[in-house]
Amino acid sequence: GENVEQHPSTLSVQEGDSAVIKCTYSDSASNYFPWYKQELGKGPQLIIDIRSNVGEKKDQRIAVTLNKTAKHFSLHITETQPEDSAVYFCAASIPRASGGSYIPTFGRGTSLIVHP
Amino acid sequence: DAGVTQSPTHLIKTRGQQVTLRCSPKSGHDTVSWYQQALGQGPQFIFQYYEEEERQRGNFPDRFSGHQFPNYSSELNVNALLLGDSALYLCASRETGGAGNTIYFGEGSWLTVV
Repeated sequence: GENVEQHPSTLSVQEGDSAVIKCTYSDSASNYFPWYKQELGKGPQLIIDIRSNVGEKKDQRIAVTLNKTAKHFSLHITETQPEDSAVYFCAASIPRASGGSYIPTFGRGTSLIVHP
Repeated sequence: DAGVTQSPTHLIKTRGQQVTLRCSPKSGHDTVSWYQQALGQGPQFIFQYYEEEERQRGNFPDRFSGHQFPNYSSELNVNALLLGDSALYLCASRETGGAGNTIYFGEGSWLTVV
């Protein structure tokens, strides 16, 4: 099955700095890569996703890049703010042969701390 | 538009007991998945339900079972609880056949086994 590695486990930055979280996946058949933000005591919330036919996607201060050859993808947050503090999870999904149902495999998460 | 709702939010059970967790999917969604998230870990896939049938299952023992109702809501049942079952249980829903593969999570049910 798919295996997703995520680094770093903890990331501490000053407000206004950029933050980068990196993930690698093992199965080259994976073609959908969502990122989730989980605040304390809440469920994960999708913040951005990318499909394998795209190398980069941007949404305001967040961007995701994908390198299919190297099987790694990254989340970039610019101009970080204290409210960006949360745990971020990457995931990779392999399309199923029947029904096309995607079951994402998650990384272990990165705790991002943004200091005011 | 209500998102994914789960109940209860917190509960405490004793080893050996049984627990039932409930989930209502996001409006318009017909596929429900359950995940277990241990402290400091990412969500682990338990199983997925569509058309009232279990369609896919992760690496969880038979003590974990589920059900989906005609209105697409779902239950997760765990029998013979172990201390290691203590975790946040997340329900996620998606629209099968929709343009995207996005799943939406609920807030979760915190289960503590003592």
